[in-house]
Amino acid sequence: DGGITQSPKYLFRKEGQNVTLSCEQNLNHDAMYWYRQDPGQGLRLIYYSQIVNDFQKGDIAEGYSVSREKKESFPLTVTSAQKNPTAFYLCASKRGGSTDTQYFGPGTRLTVL
Amino acid sequence: AQSVTQLDSHVSVSEGTPVLLRCNYSSSYSPSLFWYVQHPNKGLQLLLKYTSAATLVKGINGFEAEFKKSETSFHLTKPSAHMSDAAEYFCVVSEGYSTLTFGKGTMLLVSP
Repeated sequence: DGGITQSPKYLFRKEGQNVTLSCEQNLNHDAMYWYRQDPGQGLRLIYYSQIVNDFQKGDIAEGYSVSREKKESFPLTVTSAQKNPTAFYLCASKRGGSTDTQYFGPGTRLTVL
Repeated sequence: AQSVTQLDSHVSVSEGTPVLLRCNYSSSYSPSLFWYVQHPNKGLQLLLKYTSAATLVKGINGFEAEFKKSETSFHLTKPSAHMSDAAEYFCVVSEGYSTLTFGKGTMLLVSP
């Protein structure tokens, strides 16, 4: 089956610890994205990557880091510098054109205790 | 710069009655517009998209939306609601190759 996988589905961490969220796609898409979702705020873009070994900051990149060493993988690290990391995190990918559809993974819910 | 306004944070309907979820957008260019649906603790699923072809767009599960440039609107409709339609709906605009702009979402509640 083709699609986007995110793991784990639920993640609990202590305050002050870094944590890495996994995102893998087998759709052969060039572009990948990370969003953060909080109740009543829609989705906000954290980072995106349009090609391997290149990525750009989104609207709320502070306290997060990413890498894009392989086309199919785009992991997100939530660092201890992120002041309020508890949220639902969604990964997405698309082929690359402006009218192309973004496809979303099932999400990871991160809770910092 | 592009922006999206979903005019209602919550919409309540009875099963079998019509659904209307309202969306206005702002865009400097000819935008692409999308509607996504999200069930609790799930990812987003595409319902339909407009990309400058026909202004009336049909999507999955009986939903459709009409692009009205003069009103800068892209409202989502369905003739008859089902209980399974209860979810959060997002209107989204895209102007270029990189990013999307999401509305804040409309929660659709369907009562028996």
